[in-house]
Amino acid sequence: GGIITQTPKFLIGQEGQKLTLKCQQNFNHDTMYWYRQDSGKGLRLIYYSITENDLQKGDLSEGYDASREKKSSFSLTVTSAQKNEMAVFLCASSKDNNERLFFGHGTKLSVL
Amino acid sequence: QQKVQQSPESLSVPEGGMASLNCTSSDRNFQYFWWYRQHSGEGPKALMSIFSDGDKKEGRFTAHLNKASLHVSLHIRDSQPSDSALYFCAASVYNQGKLIFGQGTKLSIKP
Repeated sequence: GGIITQTPKFLIGQEGQKLTLKCQQNFNHDTMYWYRQDSGKGLRLIYYSITENDLQKGDLSEGYDASREKKSSFSLTVTSAQKNEMAVFLCASSKDNNERLFFGHGTKLSVL
Repeated sequence: QQKVQQSPESLSVPEGGMASLNCTSSDRNFQYFWWYRQHSGEGPKALMSIFSDGDKKEGRFTAHLNKASLHVSLHIRDSQPSDSALYFCAASVYNQGKLIFGQGTKLSIKP
C-alpha cells in the first residue's frame, strides 16, 4: 500500500498572499491531481500531471500555478488569495489514466 | 453547466434499506464512470468503476450504466450506518487522465 501526504493540513492566509500547498505520494504513481472542494459544488479539477515535469490545466486553473518537479511530489500555488475564500484542496494520484484515484486528506484553506 | 450531474442532493434511508443514487453526463465522450465515497474529514475513496452497459455488482453495491442515456446509478442494499457519507459520481474520456466529478449526494442512514 501507499499514502498521499498533504501539507499543511490547515492554511490561513491574508488577502493577496501567495500560498503554496504540497503533496507527496509513495505509490510510485505516474499521474497526480489537484482538486478544489467547495460545499455543494463537488470536486473541481485545477491541474493534473501525467508524468514528471508535465502539467495539464483543469477547468479551474485560473488563479493557480502548479509544479511537478519529481515523480513523487506535486505542489499547488494560489497566486493571490481571495478575501473570505474557504475551500479544501485535495491531492490525488493514480497508476495511469484509467485507474482509480487515491486521495490525501486535504488542506483546508481560509483567507482572512 | 456541470458535465456530470448527480441526484438527489441528499438522501435519507433507514438502516437495512436500499439507497439509490443517480448520475447523468452531458458529454457523450465520457466512457469511464466511477463512484467515490467520502467520509467526513477524509479524502474520497473509490468504490467501483463501470465501463460497459448493464449492471456491475460488488458486495452490497451495484452500479448500472446506460450509455445511450448517459445515465449511471449506484444502489446500496442492506444499508449500514457506516454507509453515511458523501457519494460522488465521476467520468472520464478513455486514456485522457482528466476525471470530472459531480457535485455529490449526501447519504444518511438512520438506525
